[in-house]
Amino acid sequence: DTAVSQTPKYLVTQMGNDKSIKCEQNLGHDTMYWYKQDSKKFLKIMFSYNNKELIINETVPNRFSPKSPDKAHLNLHINSLELGDSAVYFCASSQDWSRVESGYTFGSGTRLTVV
Amino acid sequence: RKEVEQDPGPFNVPEGATVAFNCTYSNSASQSFFWYRQDCRKEPKLLMSVYSSGNEDGRFTAQLNRASQYISLLIRDSKLSDSATYLCVVKVVNTDKLIFGTGTRLQVFP
Repeated sequence: DTAVSQTPKYLVTQMGNDKSIKCEQNLGHDTMYWYKQDSKKFLKIMFSYNNKELIINETVPNRFSPKSPDKAHLNLHINSLELGDSAVYFCASSQDWSRVESGYTFGSGTRLTVV
Repeated sequence: RKEVEQDPGPFNVPEGATVAFNCTYSNSASQSFFWYRQDCRKEPKLLMSVYSSGNEDGRFTAQLNRASQYISLLIRDSKLSDSATYLCVVKVVNTDKLIFGTGTRLQVFP
């Protein structure tokens, strides 16, 4: 059973399109995240949600809109895709963000290529 | 200056070698520390947390020096399967985000 699953695994799309990436976790965790890993392999947080409530929004363009229908799901919708959006997007979850030792469990990533 | 700095490598070592990676962090309010491992085209996976007193997990030893804001990872008796990128990660107090270094690439050869 996959703990954190993202779909799709690969996404190739044209500039200007709108696309969504879905994420689900079956770990019973309270907090979910979206991270972006660019071509230089640098991982940077975009958003975090705790129990469906937005906690972190790291100066991400408005074209990116996360949605959390329940605490087990966190989807990412991207409007008007640009070439610079090409990256690997990782979903992650953690049990309790306030726990000092809490690490994250990552999904396998969505490789987005904008052409 | 990056919040978490690592030597990108690559470190090319023979099987059986001992290799050490270092990492420095800039925010003195950093509270929790981790090493993650990321294989090529895969997701990062937690390797180990790093505790103030230092800790060991099999062939892996992690050390933390809060005064110097420095973290290290030592791998003994390297295996081919240890080839990966090792990410130094910190969490700042009262925040909910992990801050990743850019990673150190390790290649173990036969």
